[in-house]
Amino acid sequence: SQQGEEDPQALSIQEGENATMNCSYKTSINNLQWYRQNSGRGLVHLILIRSNEREKHSGRLRVTLDTSKKSSSLLITASRAADTASYFCAPHAGGTSYGKLTFGQGTILTVHP
Amino acid sequence: KAGVTQTPRYLIKTRGQQVTLSCSPISGHRSVSWYQQTPGQGLQFLFEYFSETQRNKGNFPGRFSGRQFSNSRSEMNVSTLELGDSALYLCASSLNSGGAGETQYFGPGTRLLVL
Repeated sequence: SQQGEEDPQALSIQEGENATMNCSYKTSINNLQWYRQNSGRGLVHLILIRSNEREKHSGRLRVTLDTSKKSSSLLITASRAADTASYFCAPHAGGTSYGKLTFGQGTILTVHP
Repeated sequence: KAGVTQTPRYLIKTRGQQVTLSCSPISGHRSVSWYQQTPGQGLQFLFEYFSETQRNKGNFPGRFSGRQFSNSRSEMNVSTLELGDSALYLCASSLNSGGAGETQYFGPGTRLLVL
């Protein structure tokens, strides 16, 4: 597996605004996942996007994948205070790296009421 | 279905002691992975078990060990605790092989403080 690098490190917005965070990675991938972590708690899976997909939606979340640029973005529309959390991407090259996801430092999102 | 559970949720130990953490995966999930999360190093993969066999291991010293039982429940053990072992320990389960970047479902974590 390989590590993704999330950008920006921190993002502060007002409720109702959109939040966009980015993930870059270095080598070819099989898929890429986004996870959310509320302070000091376990990670929650948000979306998995495969290398042959360009865009995926889930509720207020939209994930795009550009394999030519080796990057992905996560857009949260109409953000809420409850979206305040750290967001991590986990690109995976496939193969037999069993059970191992590699995370970057994440993007800390703060949504102000 | 019940989610991934971890016990205990909080633990305080002193240097030199050992500790055992427990993880019960989602029913039917056979792969269990363990991660350590610290402010300095972030989330780091410890190891993964599938059908009672360790299939993958991260870059941690031998003081960190684990096992998996026939019901897929897993334990990890840290011997001779050091201050730097203070961390949030997360376990995650996945349905099938755990390979190829399969979705993982995380427990709430065990917060370990070593004094």
